[in-house]
Amino acid sequence: AQRVTQPEKLLSVFKGAPVELKCNYSYSGSPELFWYVQYSRQRLQLLLRHISRESIKGFTADLNKGETSFHLKKPFAQEEDSAMYYCALKGGSEKLVFGKGTKLTVNP
Amino acid sequence: EAQVTQNPRYLITVTGKKLTVTCSQNMNHEYMSWYRQDPGLGLRQIYYSMNVEVTDKGDVPEGYKVSRKEKRNFPLILESPSPNQTSLYFCASRQIAAGETQYFGPGTRLLVL
Repeated sequence: AQRVTQPEKLLSVFKGAPVELKCNYSYSGSPELFWYVQYSRQRLQLLLRHISRESIKGFTADLNKGETSFHLKKPFAQEEDSAMYYCALKGGSEKLVFGKGTKLTVNP
Repeated sequence: EAQVTQNPRYLITVTGKKLTVTCSQNMNHEYMSWYRQDPGLGLRQIYYSMNVEVTDKGDVPEGYKVSRKEKRNFPLILESPSPNQTSLYFCASRQIAAGETQYFGPGTRLLVL
C-alpha cells in the first residue's frame, strides 16, 4: 500500500529563518515523489519532483530511501512562501497519493 | 494556453438534486482524476480514468459517478447529493509517463443543504 505522512498540520516560521516540511512515505518499490503547493484560493501546482532534482523558488527536497523521507527545505523563508504544501507519491500504478498537507505561515 | 477547466466554480444545491461538475483539459492527457479536499483530510481521490471509456474508483467513490466518453472531458456526477458531500472538488490531468506533472483545475466549491 502507498501512504504519505506529513506529521505537521501547521508550521510557523519567521521571515529569513530556515524551513523544513517533513514528508515520510510507505511504499515497497521505487516511488516517484512530488511536492505540490497551494497558495491561498488558488489551484494546486507542482513545486518540485525528486526525479529532476531541481530547486524551485529556493526549495529543495532529497529523496532518502533509507529513511523513506522526502523533506522539503528552504534556507531562508519568505512571506510569499506561506501556503499549503502537499507531498505526493506515485508507485507502480498511476495513482498519485497525497499527504494531508502542511500549512506554512511565514511571519514578517 | 494549457489548462484544466472546471464548471461551475461555486454551487449551492439541496439534498437529492442531481448535479454535474464538468472538467475539461486541452493537453491531450490520458489520465484524469477527481479529488475532494476537506480540512484536515487533505486530498482524497474520488475516481480516476486512464483513458477514454476506462474509469476506476479511488479512495472515496461512494455517492459519485464519472464518465469518460471523450479524452478531454471527465464530468463528475452526484446523482443524489447529501450534506456530507459539501467540499472543494478538484479535477486533474496528466500524461501517463514517469515524472509527469499533474495539472489541477481551479476547484469547485460545493455546498449541499
